[in-house]
Amino acid sequence: EIVMTQSPATLSVSPGGRATLSCRASQSVSTKLAWYQQKPGQAPRLLIYGASTRATGIPARFSGSGSGIEFTLTISSLQSEDFAVYFCQRYNNWPLAFGGGTKVEI
Amino acid sequence: EVQLLESGGGLVQPGGSLRLSCAASGFTFSSFGMSWVRQAPGKGLEWVSAISGSGGETYYADSVKGRFTISRDHSKNTLYLQMNSLRAEDTAVYYCAKVGGSLIYYFDHWGQGTLVTVSS
Repeated sequence: EIVMTQSPATLSVSPGGRATLSCRASQSVSTKLAWYQQKPGQAPRLLIYGASTRATGIPARFSGSGSGIEFTLTISSLQSEDFAVYFCQRYNNWPLAFGGGTKVEI
Repeated sequence: EVQLLESGGGLVQPGGSLRLSCAASGFTFSSFGMSWVRQAPGKGLEWVSAISGSGGETYYADSVKGRFTISRDHSKNTLYLQMNSLRAEDTAVYYCAKVGGSLIYYFDHWGQGTLVTVSS
């Protein structure tokens, strides 16, 4: 089973700053990777799929990159509404799996 | 507008059973795979189970295999999760989620979740 590891667990960033989140797979998942944002008390929201394609309605300040085993979610110019927990998810084979999450805080 | 509305959560004793439902609207239900994802209190996301658009293929996490059964009713546009032999570690918010594309199992829409508590 391919394990997804996210780092760091917590990232402290100032409003207007840049956040770089990492997701690593224990084996290649090609570009079968998605990113989600979750705010307290809310369901997750899809941000990125196919490693780099923004979902409908997602602002351009969110970008994804990578392939194989190393992936990055970058949030440029953090807004107040971007402080949340971010999860990666691979969907290359079964069982599906999520990373443990990165909390982006002020 | 896609809407997913879960129901059926609650308090159940260890060893008990519960059936979750997810009423879907705003899209052609039979054309998309669906899934259940859970989140234990204060923890991350855990994929639980998925079913193809036709209902012919089902998939399970090892942690629930043999205890949970996913199914769907196209006449009611509803997804189900039958949970048997429940354990304390099954306590979580259970989300239903719509698959983003044909045979591509990322999730582009999520319900608000239903809480399942397994405790005596």
